Amino acid sequence: GAGVSQSPSNKVTEKGKDVELRCDPISGHTALYWYRQRLGQGLEFLIYFQGNSAPDKSGLPSDRFSAERTGESVSTLTIQRTQQEDSAVYLCASSFSGGITYEQYFGPGTRLTVT
Amino acid sequence: ILNVEQSPQSLHVQEGDSTNFTCSFPSSNFYALHWYRWETAKSPEALFVMTLNGDEKKKGRISATLNTKEGYSYLYIKGSQPEDSATYLCALQFHTGGFKTIFGAGTRLFVKA
Repeated sequence: GAGVSQSPSNKVTEKGKDVELRCDPISGHTALYWYRQRLGQGLEFLIYFQGNSAPDKSGLPSDRFSAERTGESVSTLTIQRTQQEDSAVYLCASSFSGGITYEQYFGPGTRLTVT
Repeated sequence: ILNVEQSPQSLHVQEGDSTNFTCSFPSSNFYALHWYRWETAKSPEALFVMTLNGDEKKKGRISATLNTKEGYSYLYIKGSQPEDSATYLCALQFHTGGFKTIFGAGTRLFVKA
């Protein structure tokens, strides 16, 4: 079946511009996670959605970052007034639920470069 | 701040060698531990999810153990093959009203033919 998809696969933007990244989770997956990996660093948790519950936004690095998810479908991660330190690979993952025994399925990522 | 530590940072082995790496975490924050494998230019792929102290999981030549009391997990690869070359990520999942996941920096494995 279809896996997690993300778009765009690559995005180059100028400092100060806003960008929007999209994630399509696997159908039926109620939990959705956003992570990023900056060069030379590990995966960094950004935000987590579980069904219609309030999202866990504790990993968002600044108020320039926001994310939305409509029901159990598509999610968008928005970065306003991008900075060079926002350059990273942004990964989305989904799972059947937020339950601890469910593995996460990752998308291919969006590589964001801020010039 | 919760830290998930992985060691070594990288590892070079010969084909056929068996190897293992470590993931350590604060035992008081344990809820579930995941291992993922991340090949270059691909997405991370789940290997194991473990929740109980003493859990052992196996998938082919790869196995993992979990000690929640002392806060560590080992990943073992028996008879390494070049296709095992990847970054192996450990992730701790804990409850904060949801199930936040914190990843370690990974162990980068290089298997030489």
